[in-house]
Order: sequence, then C-alpha cells, then structure tokens
Amino acid sequence: DAKTTQPPSMDCAEGRAANLPCNHSTISGNEYVYWYRQIHSQGPQYIIHGLKNNETNEMASLIITEDRKSSTLILPHATLRDTAVYYCIVSPTGTASKLTFGTGTRLQVTL
Amino acid sequence: GAVVSQHPSRVICKSGTSVKIECRSLDFQATTMFWYRQFPKQSLMLMATSNEGSKATYEQGVEKDKFLINHASLTLSTLTVTSAHPEDSSFYICSTYAAYNEQFFGPGTRLTVL
Repeated sequence: DAKTTQPPSMDCAEGRAANLPCNHSTISGNEYVYWYRQIHSQGPQYIIHGLKNNETNEMASLIITEDRKSSTLILPHATLRDTAVYYCIVSPTGTASKLTFGTGTRLQVTL
Repeated sequence: GAVVSQHPSRVICKSGTSVKIECRSLDFQATTMFWYRQFPKQSLMLMATSNEGSKATYEQGVEKDKFLINHASLTLSTLTVTSAHPEDSSFYICSTYAAYNEQFFGPGTRLTVL
C-alpha cells in the first residue's frame, strides 16, 4: 500500500503557482520524500526530493514540515505543459530502493 | 539528464504469442532495473526488480514464468511476456537509478494483445 495521501485532482490557472500537498504521516527516519510526474502516455519524470530541509531546483520547490508528516510541491509559475499526474512517494535512498506509486494528484493547468 | 530507452514503443500481438520488450540505459551502467505495469486510469505497479547477472525479484502476485526478465548486461534488461493474453494488455515501463537518489524512467511500451 502507498504510504502517502494526495488529493485526486487540482486545477491551477496558467502563470499562477501550483501547490500540491501530500500527507505521509508514517514516514520513517531514513525515508526521503520524492516527487515524480507523469504526462499522459509517458514514463514518469523525476521532479525533486528531500529529507527534511526545503529544496528547490529549476523545476519546483519542495517544502517539508518540521515533523516530516507532510510536504508541498510548488510549481512557481504553472504552464499548460505542467498538466500531469503528480506522485508523492516516500522511500529510502539507494539504487535498489523500490518506489511505490499511489494514485497521485491530477493537476490540470488552464488558461 | 540520464536517458532510459525502451523498444518497441508499442506492439500489437495475437493471443498466445510471446513479446519481448527491451530497456536500455543509454549513457550509464545500470546494475538494477525495475519493471512496472500500468493499466488505463490506474497508477504504476511494480512487477519486478531486475539485477544484472542474477535472477530477478518478482513482486507478490506476478507470475515469474509468464513475465521473463533477463538482465545480461549493465545497459540492457528485457521483459518477455510469454503466451500473452488480452488481460496482459497494458503500459509497461522500466526504470533505473542513474544517480544515487534519482530514478529515471523509460518512455514506456504499450502492449495490445488481440
């Protein structure tokens, strides 16, 4: 079973920030929070990950609460190309670590 | 970023035939590769973990004799769906870690069994 809970869908106007929440109340101390997205009929794309500090890269920002039980992915200026299913996953690091995908959040960016 | 390719991108076959799907890491070595399956409007489900030079590890409920996995080199893993049936029609996706914390996914192979 997936260890995260996400809203099934969200809408966002183009140019606005998209804030996607994720609950992971049973996260273990050695588990990171990963975000991936899947555009229709493509393989998932890595976005960002973090352990306990906030992280930012060219795609997004990741805000993790101090107790690590929830996080928010922020797309600062959403575009139509950001329309996708976004998956929040918790997993230990390591090249043999399996990722368990939940149902994700379907983000629809509109004009 | 790192690139993972899959071939073919889509395949249509008759029921009872076998289909081989290739997954390649194009610019790095992949000791471990993962195979996922995704049915329409559902999430990705991990099928098996492919380990170079050793037997694959299958998830519970996945028939190892039906989904044959071979990982003979550090850049190639293959998934063979044997005696395919219409219920095996799905989107098959492979992935691997290029860097320690980033798992890269292939573009997927859409299998349709008639």
